[in-house]
This record gives sequence, C-alpha cells and structure tokens, in this order.
Amino acid sequence: GAGVSQSPRYKVAKRGQDVALRCDPISGHVSLFWYQQALGQGPEFLTYFQNEAQLDKSGLPSDRFFAERPEGSVSTLKIQRTQQEDSAVYLCASSLLRRTVRNQPQHFGDGTRLSIL
Amino acid sequence: SQQGEEDPQALSIQEGENATMNCSYKTSINNLQWYRQNSGRGLVHLILIRSNEREKHSGRLRVTLDTSKKSSSLLITASRAADTASYFCATPRGETSGSRLTFGEGTQLTVNP
Repeated sequence: GAGVSQSPRYKVAKRGQDVALRCDPISGHVSLFWYQQALGQGPEFLTYFQNEAQLDKSGLPSDRFFAERPEGSVSTLKIQRTQQEDSAVYLCASSLLRRTVRNQPQHFGDGTRLSIL
Repeated sequence: SQQGEEDPQALSIQEGENATMNCSYKTSINNLQWYRQNSGRGLVHLILIRSNEREKHSGRLRVTLDTSKKSSSLLITASRAADTASYFCATPRGETSGSRLTFGEGTQLTVNP
C-alpha cells in the first residue's frame, strides 16, 4: 500500500483480556518501530525491528508486552492481561533506515486507540 | 525523560500570521526532525535538518538548528486554518538502536480563520 496501515483503528477491551494490534509497513521498508502515545503527550518508543530481527525492545513497559515481525514485513504488538494504564494510542512507523542509509524520516500509521475498561 | 522539549505548549494565531515553535534537546544528534499530527491521526514527517545544517526551507516551513545551544525552531509562514495540529520535534537516539526517535511533548497550534 501507499502508507503504513494499522488495524484495528479502535479497540476496547476489558481489564485482563489480551489484545493484538497489527501494523502493515510500507513495502520495502526495512525498519519498523512501535510507539505508545498517551493523551496530550509525544510518542514514546516501545520497540524496533530491522527486517525480522527485534533489535531493541528496551521501551516495552513490562513483560506483558510482546512484539513480533516473523517475515520482516507485517508486525504484531500483543499485550497480555491488559491493565487500565495500557490505554493509549499505539503508533507504528516504518523507515528505509539501515546502517548504510542514514537520516531517513519515519512514516507513521494512524495508530490504534486502545481503551481498557 | 523527553529528549526534546517544545515551547510554547499551545499557540493560537489568526490565519495569515506566522507561527514559531521552539525545541530544545539534551544530547548530541546527527539530525533533528519535525512532525505534524492532526487530531486522531498519525504523525506526518515535515522536515529533517542534519547536524551540519543551520537552516532549511520547505514551502512555507523554515527550520533552524543551533547545535551549540541544542535548540531548533520551526517557522510556519502565512498560516492557514489547515495548519491547525500538534507539532513535535524528534531526535534520533543513535545507530545501535535503529535511530529510535525521542519526541518532545509538542506544541498545539490553532489557526483561527
């Protein structure tokens, strides 16, 4: 597709349920990032993939958060046993950035707005 | 903690006026990026300025970078109602972490028709 696609756009879950958020990056983009954005705040980094390799997961807030990108394209962010503090917008971004190609912008999807009741 | 900090937090102007937003950061960078976010949407990349550049233009946008002061400014000239959005500066952290971006809290710009 022309841009980064995320689904679902909105997700409401009860506390304790598991959720899965999907990201389709721009075709050919090597790098994929997940960010969490609280209301009125800037996005905060969660995790980063280069192709299928998860090279940085230092931003994941707890072991309830898990991300994968098994074939180096589509990525899924999974949150287990959701808590109210997980309510936020989850943004996915992709980029051509790699070691030999620097100074590349990130292209963002419209995000998934997650509400935990 | 946030790498970038924007000011003002909120800015309200009339259509046709210029809008200036400022950003400060803490560590050394190889580039600084500005993004726009419309309500309920994702971020849209506006402009990237490299650390060896002092000023860059793109249409009605002008970005400056002062690495000695660790600050940047974004100027939008002849603003339009459609420019109403949140604006964020972002700095990449480094190559080993894939240039993950660190964002400030943003400036909410309102352009009144």
